[in-house]
Order: sequence, then structure tokens, then C-alpha cells
Amino acid sequence: AQSVAQPEDQVNVAEGNPLTVKCTYSVSGNPYLFWYVQYPNRGLQFLLKYITGDNLVKGSYGFEAEFNKSQTSFHLKKPSALVSDSALYFCAVRDRQAGTALIFGKGTTLSVSS
Amino acid sequence: EAGVVQSPRYKIIEKKQPVAFWCNPISGHNTLYWYLQNLGQGPELLIRYENEEAVDDSQLPKDRFSAERLKGVDSTLKIQPAELGDSAVYLCASSLDQGPRELFFGEGSRLTVL
Repeated sequence: AQSVAQPEDQVNVAEGNPLTVKCTYSVSGNPYLFWYVQYPNRGLQFLLKYITGDNLVKGSYGFEAEFNKSQTSFHLKKPSALVSDSALYFCAVRDRQAGTALIFGKGTTLSVSS
Repeated sequence: EAGVVQSPRYKIIEKKQPVAFWCNPISGHNTLYWYLQNLGQGPELLIRYENEEAVDDSQLPKDRFSAERLKGVDSTLKIQPAELGDSAVYLCASSLDQGPRELFFGEGSRLTVL
């Protein structure tokens, strides 16, 4: 079975500071990993994904994520947070061998203060 | 290019009434998903279609929920009869196929059951 854990319900950072939103996963095979962002009363928007290759993945709006196979983690990062980054962030995983659909974590609320 | 379109955006009904949600995926996307999102939680898969075939409906409560994707394009999710616990956001998503493709989400249909 596959699963995703986002250990922090909320992350608070000051504008201009670096941010990290944590994600760990569990799959029986090799994973496809994704990050999505959701603004209030909106659908989820794709940020970035890891398929294979370079462990550091760059995505939309200056976000990046680092795949760590030994720690089964895929943390989302940004060097300098903006107030407009405040939103709900979801990590998601799919086992590429199992053929199952995308499984989402419960989400982490990011709050960036000015 | 138009995104995933869902309707209605909001629906308020009394318990035991029926309700239906409609989704039109991005043109050319073969795979269509219905997810359920409870407040403060991540999306949970209800059903996945490959063209017109439901390939994963293991999480769909079949006693009251039904879905169809006739002609392999748009889709309808129905609940009959609705219960109080069905209050949630119903998200539709589509992707080109089931590979490492990102999902594109609609803005969701928020259901309130009174």
C-alpha cells in the first residue's frame, strides 16, 4: 500500500525567509512524487513533480523539491517566501509499478507574514 | 486551452435528496478522476476512468454513489440519497494518461447537506 505523510499541519515563516514544507512517503516500488497548491475555494494547482534523474526538481513560482530515496522524503522548498505563497500545500505519490492513482497527504497550511 | 470545468460550484440540499455533479475534462485527456475532499483534508480518490472504463472504483460507496463517463469525455457523479456526512468538496481532475502525468483539477463542487 502507498501512503503520504505531511507531519506539519501549519508552517509559519516571515516574508523573505526560506521555507520548507515536509513530506515523507511509502510505496512498495519506485515513486512518482508531486506537489500541489490550493488557494481558498479553488482547485489544486500543480507545482512540480519528480519522475527520475536529478534529485532536485524545480517548479512553478520559484519552488523546488528535493527527492531523498534513503529518507523517503520529498520536501518542498523556496529560498525566499512571499506573502502570496500563503496557501494549502499537498504532497502526492504514485507507485509507478502498481498502476494506482495519485494518493495525497492531508496538506500543510503555509502562512507567510509580512 | 480551457481547463477542467465542473458544475455546479455550490449545491445545498436536504438529506435524502439526490444530487449530481458534472465534469468536462481538458480536451484529449483520456484519464478522468473524481476525488472527495473533506474540510482540512487531502483529496481522496472515489473513481478513476480510462476513457469510458472505470478502472478503479474501489473507494466509491456504491450503495449511494454512482458515476458514468459515457463516450469517454465528460462525466457525472451522482449521490442518491445524500446523507449529512456527504457534505464535502467533490473534485474532478483529468490527465493525458495514467503515467507520470500531472493531474489538472477543476475548481470543485461544494456540497452542503442539511
